[in-house]
Amino acid sequence: EAQVTQNPRYLITVTGKKLTVTCSQNMNHEYMSWYRQDPGLGLRQIYYSMNVEVTDKGDVPEGYKVSRKEKRNFPLILESPSPNQTSLYFCASSPPGLAGDTQYFGPGTRLTVL
Amino acid sequence: GDSVTQMEGPVTLSEEAFLTINCTYTATGYPSLFWYVQYPGEGLQLLLKATKADDKGSNKGFEATYRKETTSFHLEKGSVQVSDSAVYFCALSGWIQGAQKLVFGQGTRLTINP
Repeated sequence: EAQVTQNPRYLITVTGKKLTVTCSQNMNHEYMSWYRQDPGLGLRQIYYSMNVEVTDKGDVPEGYKVSRKEKRNFPLILESPSPNQTSLYFCASSPPGLAGDTQYFGPGTRLTVL
Repeated sequence: GDSVTQMEGPVTLSEEAFLTINCTYTATGYPSLFWYVQYPGEGLQLLLKATKADDKGSNKGFEATYRKETTSFHLEKGSVQVSDSAVYFCALSGWIQGAQKLVFGQGTRLTINP
């Protein structure tokens, strides 16, 4: 089944404890992206990747890192999480040449930073 | 810059009522327009899209028409069901800082009562 998977789905952590949220897609998509969803703000892009080893900042990149060593994986790293990073996070991917077109979303990761 | 504005929610309707969720956009150029739907506990999925002016996107009884003259892409359904309860996001694909990206509205939560 074609899909985007994220792990974990739920995470409660404490300020300053490094964490990684994994994202994987099995559709051979070149474009991948991370968003955070907050009430009243819709989805805001954190980072995106046009292809392997090519990443760039989105609208709200502060406090986050990403890497794209393989086409299928695009982990999101919070080196020192803070409470304002409590949010619902989505990974998405898109076929080649359609970075602004139909994106396929993972199920989401709900992160709470205490 | 490119942006999307949706009508504020939440919206509560009775089953079989007529639905309209307003969406207007600001963009340079000629973006594609989208409606995504997020069911409880799930990621976003594409509901419908339109790629040029006067196009009508449709799916699952929902429709939206790309109106360039009013910069709008309102979502409509003639008779809603309880299963339509979800959060609906309007979005456009645009060029921002040299990259093509999806820009989302803030989302509208729809609840349908039996």
